[in-house]
Amino acid sequence: LAKTTQPISMDSYEGQEVNITCSHNNIATNDYITWYQQFPSQGPRFIIQGYKTKVTNEVASLFIPADRKSSTLSLPRVSLSDTAVYYCLVGDMVGGYNKLIFGAGTRLAVHP
Amino acid sequence: NAGVMQNPRHLVRRRGQEARLRCSPMKGHSHVYWYRQLPEEGLKFMVYLQKENIIDESGMPKERFSAEFPKEGPSILRIQQVVRGDSAAYFCASSPITTGDPEAFFGQGTRLTVV
Repeated sequence: LAKTTQPISMDSYEGQEVNITCSHNNIATNDYITWYQQFPSQGPRFIIQGYKTKVTNEVASLFIPADRKSSTLSLPRVSLSDTAVYYCLVGDMVGGYNKLIFGAGTRLAVHP
Repeated sequence: NAGVMQNPRHLVRRRGQEARLRCSPMKGHSHVYWYRQLPEEGLKFMVYLQKENIIDESGMPKERFSAEFPKEGPSILRIQQVVRGDSAAYFCASSPITTGDPEAFFGQGTRLTVV
């Protein structure tokens, strides 16, 4: 099973760019990298997914180097409402389906 | 298109009672995941189901826990003879028919409290 490592927590201030890096040294050739966001008392919400290079959507960017052993989630100009736990997942295809394995995540606290 | 619906949102049970948690996936989704989350911890995978079929139950405790996803109706996570350690938030997620899709849609969860 692919395993991910993320910082336990991060602090930032409103308006700053936040970069959260995830290590996944044992990523397999077919694995995708997916990030989820979870607010207190809510279920996780899909943010972004990528396979290699760079992916950008209206919420975030995902940078993946050529060796794919790590990835960085970039949140531009964070606001207080971005305070949440961010999970990095590496696709784990078991029996033909994607088994979503969550780690401890990174607790991001955005301060005024 | 309504999202993943879980009910009840909050459930209180006395030790020894049964808890039934329901999950209605998004329309068109035939795959369901169940997760358990303790306070301040990440989500722990429990089981993955397709309609009428359990695909992967490697995260389910060996006793007292069961899950089903019938042809008609919601997916049910059933916990028999609950104990205090079962108190947690239980999340359900659904994904589209296409296997391998990494995006799953989560419900708001059911918070089970065992007293």
